[in-house]
This record gives sequence, C-alpha cells and structure tokens, in this order.
Amino acid sequence: EVQLVESGEGLVQPGSSMKLSCVASGFTFSNYGMNWIRQAPKKGLEWIALIYYDSSSKYYADSVKGRFTISRDNSKNTLYLEMNSLRSEDTAMYYCAKGGVDYWGQGVMVTVSS
Amino acid sequence: DIVLTQSPVLAVSLGQRATISCRASQSVSISSINLMHWYQQKPGQQPKLLIYRASNLASGIPARFSGSGSGTDFTLTIDPVQADDIAAYYCQQSRESPPTFGGGTKLELK
Repeated sequence: EVQLVESGEGLVQPGSSMKLSCVASGFTFSNYGMNWIRQAPKKGLEWIALIYYDSSSKYYADSVKGRFTISRDNSKNTLYLEMNSLRSEDTAMYYCAKGGVDYWGQGVMVTVSS
Repeated sequence: DIVLTQSPVLAVSLGQRATISCRASQSVSISSINLMHWYQQKPGQQPKLLIYRASNLASGIPARFSGSGSGTDFTLTIDPVQADDIAAYYCQQSRESPPTFGGGTKLELK
C-alpha cells in the first residue's frame, strides 16, 4: 500500500524558514518524480514544486520560485521542501504527492503569522 | 499557464446524475491522449484520484464515477449520486508545466 507521511507542521513568523519532510513507502520511491501541492484555507489546490526521480530536474511555481527548494534522499525514501522568506500567503496545508499525482499524503499545516 | 474553469457549486438529489464540467484555456490533449485528471476531496481529507487521462477509473473507485471529454472540454459524471459523494471535485491538467488545477466544484445536496 502506497503511503506518504508528511511532517514539519507548525506556526512561524513572516520572514522565517521551515522544512517539511515526506516519507514514502509501498512503492519504489527512487523510480518516481514527486510533487508538493498546497491548499490555502477554504481555497483550491496549487501545485508548487516537482522533482524528478533522480533529482536531475526541479520545477517551481512562480509563487515560490527563489524561496522554496525541493529535494529528496532516495536512500531514505524521503522528500523535502525547504521554505525560506515565508509570507502570510504561504499559510496552507502542504501535501506531498507521488509522480502523476496519483497518491497524496495527509498533509501538514503551515501557518505564517506574527 | 493553462487555466481550468469549473463551476463553483452543483446541487443534486441523491440517486440522480451529477455532471461536473471543466474547461481548459487551451487543449490538454496530445494525439489521442487526454491529459486531464479528476480528484475528490472530502472535508478534512487529502484529495483522492478518481479519473486519470480523462476517462480511466483509478484503482478502487466505484463504477458510478466516469469521465469523458477531449481537447478543452471535460466532464466528470457521477450516476447515481450517493450521500458519500458529497465533496469537492477538482480537475487537473498535466499537458503542460506547471500542472494546474481547476478551482473546484462543490457537490451539494438539493
């Protein structure tokens, strides 16, 4: 059974940093690209980052480019999202999602507020 | 970016057919492959894949869900609607990067 378990949830002040993790199981993690997708409270879904299976390519939404970094450690079956210069508009539930977005984690809440 | 447009709300009666539409600002099809997907999201839960590539039922999804369409116009049909289907439904395209989602359609009981 495919499982994606995010961690790193929390409340931070504007301008600060935070790192999310997503541990994968139930599939060969190193064979798949991985995504981060977020959802602001009461809002729709926004794709924010993609990393290829071998980390050879990374793509970002314009809204996070230059501030967020996606990475992975295939030896640990873990996906990461490093978030810097956080803004109030980054407040959202953050989901990791496998490959073609066929499986999603349960999500972690990131709140940016003073 | 490809913009996907969905109606915000659809009210249906239990046992009736629900038809949820998604219109893309440009074609999301390559040859005969339609790169449009549908997700269901219930309150407090993560989205779940229902339909991939416009018309393919994801694993474990009941046959009352179906998808159709090509080019720029796509439809998710639920027939018959059951109480457990009350949720938000999102379309998503993977034709171009960045992948984009529709704004979602909230299925409500009439």
